[in-house]
Amino acid sequence: QVQLQESGPGLVKPSETLSLTCTVSGGSINTFYWSWIRQSPGKGLEWIAYIHSSGSTNYNPSLKSRVTISIDTSKNHFSLRLTSVTAADTAVYYCATGYSGTFGFWGQGILVTVSS
Amino acid sequence: DIVMTQTPLSSPVTLGQPASISCRSSQSLVYSDGNTYLSWLQQRPGQPPRLLLYKISNRMSGVPDRFSGSGAGTDFTLEISRVEAEDVGIYYCMQATQFPWTFGQGTKVEIK
Repeated sequence: QVQLQESGPGLVKPSETLSLTCTVSGGSINTFYWSWIRQSPGKGLEWIAYIHSSGSTNYNPSLKSRVTISIDTSKNHFSLRLTSVTAADTAVYYCATGYSGTFGFWGQGILVTVSS
Repeated sequence: DIVMTQTPLSSPVTLGQPASISCRSSQSLVYSDGNTYLSWLQQRPGQPPRLLLYKISNRMSGVPDRFSGSGAGTDFTLEISRVEAEDVGIYYCMQATQFPWTFGQGTKVEIK
């Protein structure tokens, strides 16, 4: 059973960079496509990006200019960087994965607040 | 982007009674491989979403058979045959046919 765990700072200042890591256990990171999804009261659930162990990526155009997703197969984790954050980026950030465009496995989520 | 529109946004239901949630997409969700990548997820209070159904009607392992999905093209439905207390939460449809993958705004199921 694949398990995912998000980690990173819960508070980021406006204009700075949000960095999160998702650690994968119980399965190989060389399987599946690995995604970041966020949930904010104002915008509901929003898919941010995915990455495959091959390095293949896909980004939501609404965030593409500010987002980088990366993967470290040796450490069994993948990461998210979101630059120039504003209060609108305050959300619970989830990492998730599954088969064929589904999200059968989710982390517990991490609340990131953007505030000075 | 494909817009996913759910109705109703709130559904008060009596225990043991059925519930139905509609999801409409702004474009057909049939992919070039013939599959329709429409999923339903349940989010209980304080929990991450949980995948219930994928490709319209396929139940994930462990999902009770009182949950069923139907539809085609742009119109889809999630039905709960007899609502139980543990079914309280917010239900989302999601499409993975076209990038960016998008979610419906959610339907809150609560007990009357």
